[in-house]
Amino acid sequence: DTGVSQNPRHKITKRGQNVTFRCDPISEHNRLYWYRQTLGQGPEFLTYFQNEAQLEKSRLLSDRFSAERPKGSFSTLEIQRTEQGDSAMYLCASRKAELITDTQYFGPGTRLTVL
Amino acid sequence: GESVGLHLPTLSVQEGDNSIINCAYSNSASDYFIWYKQESGKGPQFIIDIRSNMDKRQGQRVTVLLNKTVKHLSLQIAATQPGDSAVYFCAESESQGGSEKLVFGKGMKLTVNP
Repeated sequence: DTGVSQNPRHKITKRGQNVTFRCDPISEHNRLYWYRQTLGQGPEFLTYFQNEAQLEKSRLLSDRFSAERPKGSFSTLEIQRTEQGDSAMYLCASRKAELITDTQYFGPGTRLTVL
Repeated sequence: GESVGLHLPTLSVQEGDNSIINCAYSNSASDYFIWYKQESGKGPQFIIDIRSNMDKRQGQRVTVLLNKTVKHLSLQIAATQPGDSAVYFCAESESQGGSEKLVFGKGMKLTVNP
């Protein structure tokens, strides 16, 4: 257990529905990252925050995706009008920028299945 | 549960043997490299990292080697144990380049036979 928690762990939804995932990073970690992982592949970067500011977004993050970190602590990732291609594991990671290490610590992920 | 290792290259070793997992990275500007271990249904777990100003780093039972000339990274696991069975990913980033993203390799599934 790295200390990064994600909820829910599993989500099954029907195509066209909206879903929201939550990530709670390690306490005092000011940087928070979202990745997506499909079966048999490595995680792919989606976006990251420093405190409450969203500083980088991948082109994978279509306009149906939105991420927030309103108070610089937990973050939410919302997918609107889900499509079957959104089925994947959504991973959150965090790190403390002031530390010399750049290691990102990952949570257990939220497995999304879109029917 | 779902299989992280579906369709991945596989390395099978006997318990007690040494394992070597290789990774080729693509970005010559990458200056920070990490190995992660991922078990089925779990998030990636940090194993060891190395910066580009080093060519070798050792941890407990693990060693990472970096060859910048050919953009190659390897993970050596000594005395492999059944608990080491998992999918292993290398990841790279330009830590000084302003981008925070980790770029992951394809992954290797390690199976340790008792």
